[in-house]
Amino acid sequence: NAGVTQTPKFQVLKTGQSMTLQCAQDMNHNSMYWYRQDPGMGLRLIYYSASEGTTDKGEVPNGYNVSRLNKREFSLRLESAAPSQTSVYFCASELGTNTEAFFGQGTRLTVV
Amino acid sequence: KNEVEQSPQNLTAQEGEFITINCSYSVGISALHWLQQHPGGGIVSLFMLSSGKKKHGRLIATINIQEKHSSLHITASHPRDSAVYICAVGGNQFYFGTGTSLTVIP
Repeated sequence: NAGVTQTPKFQVLKTGQSMTLQCAQDMNHNSMYWYRQDPGMGLRLIYYSASEGTTDKGEVPNGYNVSRLNKREFSLRLESAAPSQTSVYFCASELGTNTEAFFGQGTRLTVV
Repeated sequence: KNEVEQSPQNLTAQEGEFITINCSYSVGISALHWLQQHPGGGIVSLFMLSSGKKKHGRLIATINIQEKHSSLHITASHPRDSAVYICAVGGNQFYFGTGTSLTVIP
């Protein structure tokens, strides 16, 4: 089992460029999440999907869109990247009250 | 506003020492997670707690729901324990601490 797989691991974008971060899990989990991690701050929720076909905004959704393509995959899209979106992004699944949490390896994104 | 406070922020220990990391929170919760993040690495779940105490090898996690406090203990610390330890609390929504950076010196 691969767990939660995130791609790419590193990315440098110019301001205004777009990109999609991919996330897939092979554990048949219903809920999936996108977080960003910035220095001196806890992880902050961008978007989440409680189940296939549903998505909801988290704490910091502005500038992002998501797609829950199927039960396995949950992608995060930056339509027009800004320097403020420089961060480390983590995909997670099943962060809840019944099981342990599962996180991807992270994507380090720099917007110049 | 900080729903989750961790202490200490940074911790340096000699190999073999007993280590305690604390997490205090201000919101009502259904569960608390302890997570581990190695430098430049992904995040790994150590424990999920809703009450009491759990033990995995040299790691012990406790939670006091009434006090809104949890502790993570590492017995016989080892350099490979060097990492950032993150507390996350919640139920429908989770709040994360900023982490405790642990360095264990041989």
